[in-house]
Amino acid sequence: AQKVTQAQTEISVVEKEDVTLDCVYETRDTTYYLFWYKQPPSGELVFLIRRNSFDEQNEISGRYSWNFQKSTSSFNFTITASQVVDSAVYFCALSPNSVGYQKVTFGTGTKLQVIP
Amino acid sequence: ETGVTQSPTHLIKTRGQQVTLRCSSQSGHNTVSWYQQALGQGPQFIFQYYREEENGRGNFPPRFSGLQFPNYSSELNVNALELDDSALYLCASSSKSGAPTDTQYFGPGTRLTVL
Repeated sequence: AQKVTQAQTEISVVEKEDVTLDCVYETRDTTYYLFWYKQPPSGELVFLIRRNSFDEQNEISGRYSWNFQKSTSSFNFTITASQVVDSAVYFCALSPNSVGYQKVTFGTGTKLQVIP
Repeated sequence: ETGVTQSPTHLIKTRGQQVTLRCSSQSGHNTVSWYQQALGQGPQFIFQYYREEENGRGNFPPRFSGLQFPNYSSELNVNALELDDSALYLCASSSKSGAPTDTQYFGPGTRLTVL
């Protein structure tokens, strides 16, 4: 069984502050993929990143960075110098690599509010 | 390039009725997945269709069924609606059989309310 826990339900930060969204996962699969998605008020999920369980390298994309630590089953997401446009619900998700489709399990999401 | 579109935007039904939700995939995509997102929750995977056949299913009862057409558009049908079926239904399309390495592009969803 797969499980994704996002313990932070809501976070508020002032614009330009850095913020880290936590994600902890559970899986019995030896290979799997982790994802982060953004859901703005308009509703559609926007893909941000996919990480293979074999690849523990941290990744940076502009103001976004991700810290994957297999030893603690965590895949945290940091936004540097937050902006109002970052306000959204962010979901962490997990899919096994053992099936031929995306059997995705999502966390319950973290609502980020960036205050101007 | 046209993105993923869904219709209708909103829908109100009563318990016991049947509903059909529609999704048009992004151009060039041959795989579609459906998700149910209850208020305040993360999306839950319902099923995935690849080239008109269901190739994966989540923990949803048989009254949730789907179709994918030759143009790769899709329908989600829900029979015998229950109050707990009230949710945002999201459709996502992708271009490489829907494997975990395949990036999914989501539509804006259909908000279903069951009274």
